[in-house]
Amino acid sequence: EAGVAQSPRYKIIEKRQSVAFWCNPISGHATLYWYQQILGQGPKLLIQFQNNGVVDDSQLPKDRFSAERLKGVDSTLKIQPAKLEDSAVYLCASSLPGQYEQYFGPGTRLTVT
Amino acid sequence: AQKVTQAQTEISVVEKEDVTLDCVYETRDTTYYLFWYKQPPSGELVFLIRRNSFDEQNEISGRYSWNFQKSTSSFNFTITASQVVDSAVYFCALTDMYSGGGADGLTFGKGTHLIIQP
Repeated sequence: EAGVAQSPRYKIIEKRQSVAFWCNPISGHATLYWYQQILGQGPKLLIQFQNNGVVDDSQLPKDRFSAERLKGVDSTLKIQPAKLEDSAVYLCASSLPGQYEQYFGPGTRLTVT
Repeated sequence: AQKVTQAQTEISVVEKEDVTLDCVYETRDTTYYLFWYKQPPSGELVFLIRRNSFDEQNEISGRYSWNFQKSTSSFNFTITASQVVDSAVYFCALTDMYSGGGADGLTFGKGTHLIIQP
């Protein structure tokens, strides 16, 4: 079974530029999560989708971050405009309905200069 | 609000020693789930174990064992006879249910960096 796929793996941009990350969850996993992991810290939830609806986006900085999951499968996370403090690894995870284990992708390492 | 504390930032032991990683959590929910994840240098988070709040049985899986104590809000992880391949950052995490029947996003601790020296 294929795991959670993310792209790109690495991205370097200048502050005030825009960037987008893509995630393809495990087939059949209705719930999708985006986390931000700053160096030396644990991941922090940004947004959670159930199919194509948002369950929790309370920690998403909505002035610059946006996310969508239009067809209930793939998802994109966008930052516009980026700030230096957005440098982090962005992790995507997915889970089956009714189950609690989340399976993580390899992450996208973003460096904002 | 939920909180997970991993007080040990870094632990270094010599191979074959036993090591325990501590995890203390806070939640007001009566039903919740605790997890341990491993993050090797490659960066991908690997699921190790899930424990329900109503099941306080300890669990052993090979060299790994977990001690869940509700009375002290702790969920500690022990590696017996450690090996160099166990070197990684280990995260303890917490979640509860949501109305859709699945899990909310995880609340992670800051992680413990475990170094196993040969």
